Amino acid sequence: GAVVSQHPSWVICKSGTSVKIECRSLDFQATTMFWYRQFPKQSLMLMATSNEGSKATYEQGVEKDKFLINHASLTLSTLTVTSAHPEDSSFYICSARSGVEAETQYFGPGTRLLVL
Amino acid sequence: GQNIDQPTEMTATEGAIVQINCTYQTSGFNGLFWYQQHAGEAPTFLSYNVLDGLEEKGRFSSFLSRSKGYSYLLLKELQMKDSASYLCAALYSNYQLIWGAGTKLIIKP
Repeated sequence: GAVVSQHPSWVICKSGTSVKIECRSLDFQATTMFWYRQFPKQSLMLMATSNEGSKATYEQGVEKDKFLINHASLTLSTLTVTSAHPEDSSFYICSARSGVEAETQYFGPGTRLLVL
Repeated sequence: GQNIDQPTEMTATEGAIVQINCTYQTSGFNGLFWYQQHAGEAPTFLSYNVLDGLEEKGRFSSFLSRSKGYSYLLLKELQMKDSASYLCAALYSNYQLIWGAGTKLIIKP
């Protein structure tokens, strides 16, 4: 199957700092990428959908000014958690879809964020 | 709203067969995904059903009934490594993907 990578795999930061997470599709062009957050023992929660070259669509309750998404190319999307707080500590997972006809999402390995 | 229902937890014995059910709302439905997620890891794709019927992939099979809004994932010859959460997700015509909360499968020796 298609390969999606994320970097970093884990990050610890101080409260108030910003953290950038990269999501890359390694062997296909991802017209659409999705960002999820997953708290311990809970299901995936979709944060936003990003299409290459356009603004991301955020789910209700997700602050777009706090979670900045940039999908600058067909193989890279970034999520920046601005002014991170301890409650932002979570498992952030991206997924990518190759095109409208290919509905399957392939997930990156996830990024564990711990805000102290 | 578009709800996905699946059992929270199931327990099965190594070597046995287990069926994990998933129900969804049929209006605007396109297809049904199954993903496996081990603790602390991201989900991995298992199957995608669009047509009615059973699709087999080795020890794992997935079934879909579009008219009933029902799917199941069948795992045969269970192994300890199959202990994981299994997520079903329904894709709708507006390209919205609705996720179930996942079924935690516990395999006992």
